[in-house]
Amino acid sequence: AQSVTQPDIHITVSEGASLELRCNYSYGATPYLFWYVQSPGQGLQLLLKYFSGDTLVQGIKGFEAEFKRSQSSFNLRKPSVHWSDAAEYFCAVVKSYSGGGADGLTFGKGTHLIIQP
Amino acid sequence: DTGVSQDPRHKITKRGQNVTFRCDPISEHNRLYWYRQTLGQGPEFLTYFQNEAQLEKSRLLSDRFSAERPKGSFSTLEIQRTEQGDSAMYLCASSTRTGLIYGYTFGSGTRLTVV
Repeated sequence: AQSVTQPDIHITVSEGASLELRCNYSYGATPYLFWYVQSPGQGLQLLLKYFSGDTLVQGIKGFEAEFKRSQSSFNLRKPSVHWSDAAEYFCAVVKSYSGGGADGLTFGKGTHLIIQP
Repeated sequence: DTGVSQDPRHKITKRGQNVTFRCDPISEHNRLYWYRQTLGQGPEFLTYFQNEAQLEKSRLLSDRFSAERPKGSFSTLEIQRTEQGDSAMYLCASSTRTGLIYGYTFGSGTRLTVV
């Protein structure tokens, strides 16, 4: 079964500094990967996704992620963080595939991003 | 299109009571998913509908839980005889058949507190 590991539970970054959040997946074939962000008490907002093609994926809010098959990683990056980026970030992989489509996501446990002024 | 709507946003109930949550997906989305998220954890898959058919249920979905999507539009999730361990955020998501391309749209969730 697919699984996702986010090694960092908390990360603290100064405002304006660069950010990298780590995500490792376990899956035999080419995975379909997602990054979501969740603000306190809110649902999940899709930042970006990868399913084929260019391994560097651009998303919303200035985020990007790079798929590295050799490292089974899909790390999220941002060159300069803003205080409004403070939130919980989740990496996810499609759980399985059936009927020509996918039937849900397996999430990592999340990384809590704290922005220092 | 107002996205995925969930109702209520918050629910406090006494242990042993039954609760029901509602999810209205994006109208053209035929796939609907329920997830549960406990504090400090990522969302965990509960169940999945394609139109009105419930195609998969997680082992997390005990016999006290039941989900329906009677007309292939909105869905309800009922928890009977609630326990304190049921306290969590319950998230609904929807997608089209090509959810892999367009992603899954999540609602804001229903936060359940069992006291």
